[in-house]
Amino acid sequence: GDSVTQMEGPVTLSEEAFLTINCTYTATGYPSLFWYVQYPGEGLQLLLKATKADDKGSNKGFEATYRKETTSFHLEKGSVQVSDSAVYFCALTRNTGFQKLVFGTGTRLLVSP
Amino acid sequence: EPEVTQTPSHQVTQMGQEVILRCVPISNHLYFYWYRQILGQKVEFLVSFYNNEISEKSEIFDDQFSVERPDGSNFTLKIRSTKLEDSAMYFCASRGTPIANTGELFFGEGSRLTVL
Repeated sequence: GDSVTQMEGPVTLSEEAFLTINCTYTATGYPSLFWYVQYPGEGLQLLLKATKADDKGSNKGFEATYRKETTSFHLEKGSVQVSDSAVYFCALTRNTGFQKLVFGTGTRLLVSP
Repeated sequence: EPEVTQTPSHQVTQMGQEVILRCVPISNHLYFYWYRQILGQKVEFLVSFYNNEISEKSEIFDDQFSVERPDGSNFTLKIRSTKLEDSAMYFCASRGTPIANTGELFFGEGSRLTVL
């Protein structure tokens, strides 16, 4: 079945460091790919998405490129802030049926000043 | 900004007891979901609900689970006889349009269930 694999956390960085959180997926066909973020005490929020190969999703300085050849959707940010501390979830959905999301385990990011 | 609200935020219950988790989806949304996350594990799909019926459910969603939209605004998840392994964070989500169009499922903050 469809699955998403994320790097283990927590990821601990200093402010202004470069961030990469790896995500790879297994799915038949051409899924849409997402990054959701959960800030402390809040629900999951959509951060960015890409719906076809080579698309780049971006939001709030975060970027991820849909790489079909490597089945990856790694999240990057050039300079993290303390306010980016959160749990990040990679997810996919098939573009058919009722389109449930399949999530990875989540990666906790801790950014220190 | 419209949001999905869930109650309770945390519930502690004894094994074998019934639990009802409540969700108020965004008012004009049509598709409703329950997910759960056992501590340290993946966020797992439980069930989707559309047009007043279950549209899809996972193997986790066995006869102990049920969902209901009793009054057009609430969306509830009932666990009939809780087990220790039901301890998890339960997330409700909703959306108004096909996911590929907006990419956005709107999630609540979650209800933490602890079964003793």
